[in-house]
Amino acid sequence: EAGVAQSPRYKIIEKRQSVAFWCNPISGHATLYWYQQILGQGPKLLIQFQNNGVVDDSQLPKDRFSAERLKGVDSTLKIQPAKLEDSAVYLCASSPFGGNQETQYFGPGTRLLVL
Amino acid sequence: RKEVEQDPGPFNVPEGATVAFNCTYSNSASQSFFWYRQDCRKEPKLLMSVYSSGNEDGRFTAQLNRASQYISLLIRDSKLSDSATYLCVVNLRGGGNKLTFGTGTQLKVEL
Repeated sequence: EAGVAQSPRYKIIEKRQSVAFWCNPISGHATLYWYQQILGQGPKLLIQFQNNGVVDDSQLPKDRFSAERLKGVDSTLKIQPAKLEDSAVYLCASSPFGGNQETQYFGPGTRLLVL
Repeated sequence: RKEVEQDPGPFNVPEGATVAFNCTYSNSASQSFFWYRQDCRKEPKLLMSVYSSGNEDGRFTAQLNRASQYISLLIRDSKLSDSATYLCVVNLRGGGNKLTFGTGTQLKVEL
């Protein structure tokens, strides 16, 4: 079974530029998550989708971050404009239905460096 | 106060040693508990779920104390391949599958 796919794997941009990340979850998984992991910290949930609807985006900095999952399958996360403090690994995860005890399967992440 | 607190380590232990990690969580409404493992520059992967009755998987034992809001992970007979960061994770009741991660505890197993 193919895992969660993410691209690009690495991205270097200058502050105030825009960047987009792509995620394709495990086939059939209804729930998709985007996390931000800053060096030395645990992952922090940015947004959770159930199919093509947003379940939780309470920790998404909406002035600069946006995400969509239009067809309920793959998803994009965008930052516009980027700040130095956005340097982090952006992890996408998926789970079958979004239940409390479900395992979340993580992709390899996109490592972003903002200069 | 952080929602999930862990000692960041690093814990440097010799091969074969027993090592224990602790974690506390602040929200008494937390319902589900997990340990995830994250290797250097890799994604987190589920190690095991944690139940009130305690659970064991080979050399790994997890315990939960709801009254003290405390979670532990015990690794016996540690191997070089156990070197990683161990993330304590909680899920709020009614929170869907929203996971809150601790900062992780780094383990280095040495010869």
